[in-house]
Amino acid sequence: NAGVTQTPKFQVLKTGQSMTLQCAQDMNHEYMSWYRQDPGMGLRLIHYSVGAGITDQGEVPNGYNVSRSTTEDFPLRLLSAAPSQTSVYFCASSYSIPATYNEQFFGPGTRLTVL
Amino acid sequence: DQQVKQNSPSLSVQEGRISILNCDYTNSMFDYFLWYKKYPAEGPTFLISISSIKDKNEDGRFTVFLNKSAKHLSLHIVPSQPGDSAVYFCAASANHPNSGYALNFGKGTSLLVTP
Repeated sequence: NAGVTQTPKFQVLKTGQSMTLQCAQDMNHEYMSWYRQDPGMGLRLIHYSVGAGITDQGEVPNGYNVSRSTTEDFPLRLLSAAPSQTSVYFCASSYSIPATYNEQFFGPGTRLTVL
Repeated sequence: DQQVKQNSPSLSVQEGRISILNCDYTNSMFDYFLWYKKYPAEGPTFLISISSIKDKNEDGRFTVFLNKSAKHLSLHIVPSQPGDSAVYFCAASANHPNSGYALNFGKGTSLLVTP
């Protein structure tokens, strides 16, 4: 049981490049989400999904796209990277929506630098 | 606007003493509260939670107290150990679609437990 896995661990991009951050979970969790953590800002929600085929925006969705074609995978796409997207990105999953007393399990994070 | 606030960025406590981490929230719809612990270069890990129908929840050395009227919760660690040194995030969620069913995080408090 690997839990929540994220790849890559580190990435450096140039402004304007695109890339996909991968996230997978093997716990058959319905709810998945992406957060970014910036210094002094805590974790902010980018996008979330309550199940395969269903996604929605969080607090800071601009510049990011997501899709959820399977229960296991929830990739995050940066369409045209900007220096403001330099951050640490965390993927998380839970059995159901967090508000129904379900703890979220977090991946180890992807540290992204945009030059 | 930050709905979950941790007003102490850092806290230093001697080993064996009590650590008290505080958290305030503004959204009266929040009904589930969690504490996460984060070590450097790792994802947050769930520590303890409490629902709004309770005012206290204990798990070993960790106790969370909830004061709904004051919109305040606290995490007590007794006794504190050097391995508890980490960043602690307070989080809250509301079982309402407008909230995205998401966790709202505070900015974190860095706890240092000294021998």
